[in-house]
Amino acid sequence: EVQLVESGGGLIQPGGSLRLSCAASGFTVSSEYMNWVRQAPGKGLEWVSVIFSDGDAYYADSVRGRFSISRDNSRDTVYLQMNNLRAEDTAVYYCARDVSPYGLGAMGYWGQGTLVTVSS
Amino acid sequence: EIVMTQSPATLSVSPGERATLSCRASQSITTALAWYQQKPGQAPRLLIYDAITRATGIPARFSGSGSGTEFTLTISSLQSEDFAVYYCQQSNNWPGTFGQGTRVEIK
Repeated sequence: EVQLVESGGGLIQPGGSLRLSCAASGFTVSSEYMNWVRQAPGKGLEWVSVIFSDGDAYYADSVRGRFSISRDNSRDTVYLQMNNLRAEDTAVYYCARDVSPYGLGAMGYWGQGTLVTVSS
Repeated sequence: EIVMTQSPATLSVSPGERATLSCRASQSITTALAWYQQKPGQAPRLLIYDAITRATGIPARFSGSGSGTEFTLTISSLQSEDFAVYYCQQSNNWPGTFGQGTRVEIK
């Protein structure tokens, strides 16, 4: 069974850094497209970043240069390093896996989310 | 960046009735379109991908159609568990942008 469990969220001051983790089970993260998607309180979904099976990554314009996605294949864990955090980064952050190993871009498996609050 | 526009923002439907949700892309995305359902306090759930393919375990009352820039999600006979917010998302180009959502509420 595919499972994704996020951790690492919390309250952080503007300008601070945080690293989110997504522990996967039931599959190998290195074989799949893995995404981070966020949702600000009361708002819609915003795609944040993806790491492809070949290790390349892509970022939304709103986080490029501040966020970095990576993975540890030995731990089947994906990370989102978030630097220079802003109030507008406050959101629930979801880890999500592509529905297909061929990377269709649709996210078929989701974690429960972890809340990041950026506030002084 | 491709902009996805959903309509209506809110749809009021009685149980057992049909619901039709629309999603428009700012440029052609062929059939690279997914639909998600989200209930309060829960993660989104994939319903449809590649515009027409139901994800595993999704009931047949959910169907998707469209290509290019115009897409539709149809729920043939609304059940109580279908009242939720629905999002479309394009996956033709990165970033995989979402629409702003359509809330389906009980009439």
